[in-house]
Amino acid sequence: GAVVSQHPSRVICKSGTSVKIECRSLDFQATTMFWYRQFPKQSLMLMATSNEGSKATYEQGVEKDKFLINHASLTLSTLTVTSAHPEDSSFYICSVQPGGLYNEQFFGPGTRLTVL
Amino acid sequence: GDSVTQMEGPVTLSEEAFLTINCTYTATGYPSLFWYVQYPGEGLQLLLKATKADDKGSNKGFEATYRKETTSFHLEKGSVQVSDSAVYFCALRTGAAGNKLTFGGGTRVLVKP
Repeated sequence: GAVVSQHPSRVICKSGTSVKIECRSLDFQATTMFWYRQFPKQSLMLMATSNEGSKATYEQGVEKDKFLINHASLTLSTLTVTSAHPEDSSFYICSVQPGGLYNEQFFGPGTRLTVL
Repeated sequence: GDSVTQMEGPVTLSEEAFLTINCTYTATGYPSLFWYVQYPGEGLQLLLKATKADDKGSNKGFEATYRKETTSFHLEKGSVQVSDSAVYFCALRTGAAGNKLTFGGGTRVLVKP
């Protein structure tokens, strides 16, 4: 299956700063990538669907101006948490879908964000 | 909306014990059902799936049967190993939602030697 990496694996930042998280598909070209958020002991919640070369589609309740997604190439999508606050502390996970509507999703290892 | 409910963990077992993780769902339309596993420090991996009623998914000794009448997709393994210690996620995907996955809360399983 596809190998997906995320960088960084952990990040600690001060409140008010912005943090960028990268998601890379190492061996597949991914026209579609997904960003999820997971709170401790809770489910993964889909934040947005990232489509290469076009704007991301955000789920209801997710602030698109706060969680900026850029999918500039077929192997890289970035999530930027702008003006981060402690309530943004969470585990962020990306997944890639190599192609077609119903291909399997392959997940990255996740990024733990802690906002002080 | 779509939702998945699975039993809360942690589930602690001895090696060679029988494992069951319950999963029930609500969905519009006819969902495909999945079990994902997350080993410590790794990303989620697809464990098994079933795309229609009465299908049985199986992999690595794990099985789950798509039960439409009870809207369930319980995961079972007859004899667990220490290496099965992980977090297990039940998930669904419907045609109405495109390729979006809806996850359950995850169940942590700890197998002791």
